[in-house]
Amino acid sequence: ETGVTQSPTHLIKTRGQQVTLRCSSQSGHNTVSWYQQALGQGPQFIFQYYREEENGRGNFPPRFSGLQFPNYSSELNVNALELDDSALYLCASSIGLQSQYFGPGTRLTVL
Amino acid sequence: GQQLNQSPQSMFIQEGEDVSMNCTSSSIFNTWLWYKQDPGEGPVLLIALYKAGELTSNGRLTAQFGITRKDSFLNISASIPSDVGIYFCAGPPYILTGTASKLTFGTGTRLQVTL
Repeated sequence: ETGVTQSPTHLIKTRGQQVTLRCSSQSGHNTVSWYQQALGQGPQFIFQYYREEENGRGNFPPRFSGLQFPNYSSELNVNALELDDSALYLCASSIGLQSQYFGPGTRLTVL
Repeated sequence: GQQLNQSPQSMFIQEGEDVSMNCTSSSIFNTWLWYKQDPGEGPVLLIALYKAGELTSNGRLTAQFGITRKDSFLNISASIPSDVGIYFCAGPPYILTGTASKLTFGTGTRLQVTL
């Protein structure tokens, strides 16, 4: 158990809808990173939040956005969902440059 | 962009056998991390390596940070059925000045253990 929790566990949406995924970081961790993992592939970096500011972004369009709160928990928002957004969404928490610990993920299915 | 290639892609081994897998990068890494992922779950950190040449063990697992800083190796001794899963190498391809870094993941090695 890493102490990183995510909700919901599973989610089904239709194309064009919007979704919000949530992550609670491990106690004492000030950095949250979000990853998208398509079936059969390794996780791909979406963005990272450090002390409530976005701190680096991967190759994802602006309809992927996020927030980090004062307690270091975080949200990932995806607007105008597309079929290709179906994936396991993972968040990972860390203390700055140290190793990242992952939550169990949210499985998003877009129909 | 950064690419991490893992080999083998998949392997079937018998319980009790030793396993070796490796990860190579097109550029230098400052940190190598090895994760294991079970189906439908998040990756679990197994071993972290921070210095070229470093050899670190965690129970039956041993990992090494290659001297060139472009590769890393993971060995599992005396495999057991619960070792089944996908093993990923990962590392930060660069460090953003004054802030934390992202991870690039390898392509994964799927391990299956037969009795």
